Amino acid sequence: NAGVTQTPKFQVLKTGQSMTLQCAQDMNHEYMSWYRQDPGMGLRLIHYSVGAGITDQGEVPNGYNVSRSTTEDFPLRLLSAAPSQTSVYFCASSYSPQGSLHFGNGTRLTVT
Amino acid sequence: AQTVTQSQPEMSVQEAETVTLSCTYDTSESDYYLFWYKQPPSRQMILVIRQEAYKQQNATENRFSVNFQKAAKSFSLKISDSQLGDAAMYFCAYRSPPGTASKLTFGTGTRLQVTL
Repeated sequence: NAGVTQTPKFQVLKTGQSMTLQCAQDMNHEYMSWYRQDPGMGLRLIHYSVGAGITDQGEVPNGYNVSRSTTEDFPLRLLSAAPSQTSVYFCASSYSPQGSLHFGNGTRLTVT
Repeated sequence: AQTVTQSQPEMSVQEAETVTLSCTYDTSESDYYLFWYKQPPSRQMILVIRQEAYKQQNATENRFSVNFQKAAKSFSLKISDSQLGDAAMYFCAYRSPPGTASKLTFGTGTRLQVTL
């Protein structure tokens, strides 16, 4: 019973590099989302999806892309990493838009 | 836009005592959902308790209970018989009603310290 799986757990990038944070869930949840957590700012929504093929922007979408080709997977892409994207990233899912969110264990990303 | 305010950056409680964490929110909607999440040093986000705004009865989960005051837009978390394992960051969160994009908005968190 894996729940929400995020990879990698830690990542260091140089400014300008690109990478994809992976998120997969095995609970057949329609709703998936990405948050970033910064000290003193709580968690802020980056992008979310209410089902396969449907994505939308959250509060802080700039610099990030997402896609949802399957129900299970919701990768987050950084096309050109910047130091301001240094953060802890969480993927979360729920059965419905109003359900309780299930979180992955997070990815700590450092951009130098 | 909805906002969630946690005015206590840090709190401390002695083991076996009771502590209350405050949360207020701003919304013009009448139907919504409120949550408390716990984040221990492991970084994992753990759901503590959930409250539907249309329910007048306060939610309870073992030693955790809420005081939901809809008119005052207040949603405090009470932890009874505090244990060392309760030490963590606690986040209050608001989720908008059915039929909307239903984003979850978090407060900035309260760090709870439990002392012997």
